[in-house]
Amino acid sequence: DTAVSQTPKYLVTQMGNDKSIKCEQNLGHDTMYWYKQDSKKFLKIMFSYNNKELIINETVPNRFSPKSPDKAHLNLHINSLELGDSAVYFCASSQVRDITDTQYFGPGTRLTVL
Amino acid sequence: DQQVKQNSPSLSVQEGRISILNCDYTNSMFDYFLWYKKYPAEGPTFLISISSIKDKNEDGRFTVFLNKSAKHLSLHIVPSQPGDSAVYFCAARRTSGSRLTFGEGTQLTVNP
Repeated sequence: DTAVSQTPKYLVTQMGNDKSIKCEQNLGHDTMYWYKQDSKKFLKIMFSYNNKELIINETVPNRFSPKSPDKAHLNLHINSLELGDSAVYFCASSQVRDITDTQYFGPGTRLTVL
Repeated sequence: DQQVKQNSPSLSVQEGRISILNCDYTNSMFDYFLWYKKYPAEGPTFLISISSIKDKNEDGRFTVFLNKSAKHLSLHIVPSQPGDSAVYFCAARRTSGSRLTFGEGTQLTVNP
């Protein structure tokens, strides 16, 4: 059983298009995250939801909008895609209880904007 | 502002020897540190962690050392195995549920 899954794994699209990436976790965790790994390989937090409530919203363009229909899902919608959005996007989840909560990552979605 | 730095982009060691991966941080508010391993085309996988109240945590072949005064941590893998070849990310955070700040990763290659 895949703990954190993302679809699609690869996404190639044209500039200006709107696309969504879906994430699901079956670990029963209450917190989910989106990270972006850019061309320099840095992993940076974008958003975090706890029990469907947005708790972390880093400085990302308004074109990026996360949506959490329930605790097990956190989708990322991107409007008007730009070349600079090309990256690998990772979803993660954790159970926030104490200092030791560990984030578990999905396999990533490689987005290429042409 | 890179708060977590891994200054060695790559490390190559012989099978059976010790691998030492280093990580430095600047934010004194960080109180929990993690190491993740990442294979190509996969997501990062949690490896080992340490709380700031400890200076060492060991799990099998993996040991993490924390030097708070120097704001430095290291991951020791002994003995190293070819299957350990991967990118290792150091990460830090302040409180439970807060963002992880990652280093840029170190590519470890273990040669048979």
